[in-house]
Amino acid sequence: AQKVTQAQTEISVVEKEDVTLDCVYETRDTTYYLFWYKQPPSGELVFLIRRNSFDEQNEISGRYSWNFQKSTSSFNFTITASQVVDSAVYFCALSETNTGGFKTIFGAGTRLFVKA
Amino acid sequence: SAVISQKPSRDICQRGTSLTIQCQVDSQVTMMFWYRQQPGQSLTLIATANQGSEATYESGFVIDKFPISRPNLTFSTLTVSNMSPEDSSIYLCSVDVGGLNEQFFGPGTRLTVL
Repeated sequence: AQKVTQAQTEISVVEKEDVTLDCVYETRDTTYYLFWYKQPPSGELVFLIRRNSFDEQNEISGRYSWNFQKSTSSFNFTITASQVVDSAVYFCALSETNTGGFKTIFGAGTRLFVKA
Repeated sequence: SAVISQKPSRDICQRGTSLTIQCQVDSQVTMMFWYRQQPGQSLTLIATANQGSEATYESGFVIDKFPISRPNLTFSTLTVSNMSPEDSSIYLCSVDVGGLNEQFFGPGTRLTVL
């Protein structure tokens, strides 16, 4: 069965600290996609990254980086030198092949507070 | 990417009434999805809507309560029927762009049922 676990409910850091958000997933598919989304207080969901199951290469985008490890079924997200604007709820998500397309399920989310 | 709009952005409704939420995409997409996000919770998939076929509902969601229309490749509606306070949530439309599993979300409809 499909499952995404974000064990950290809330994290609070001081500006400029680095912070890592954990994501562990379960799937029986060999082909799947992993995502991170940001949901700021305004409520909109902002797409951050997609990674497919065949690409374990880590990715860096500015202050954001992602560490994908199939051996531990983890897809962790690190924010370097955090800023107040990073305060949001971050969701990790998993898509498996469904009939005619992909079905995405979400983790419970991690609420990040960045204090000035 | 895709630009997705939803109407209404928010509404306050009385128990027992129904509300239809519209989702418009600026490009043709094969798959559209409807999610619910209850207060302080994660997103839960309600159903998948393909144009020209019946929507596929997830466990716990039924067509009588959440009828969905998908008349063309750029538009869909979700109706929340016979509402109760437990239906108070944000309802989000999402699309799968280009069959590459790039999934984007609309701004959401914030529903409060009194």
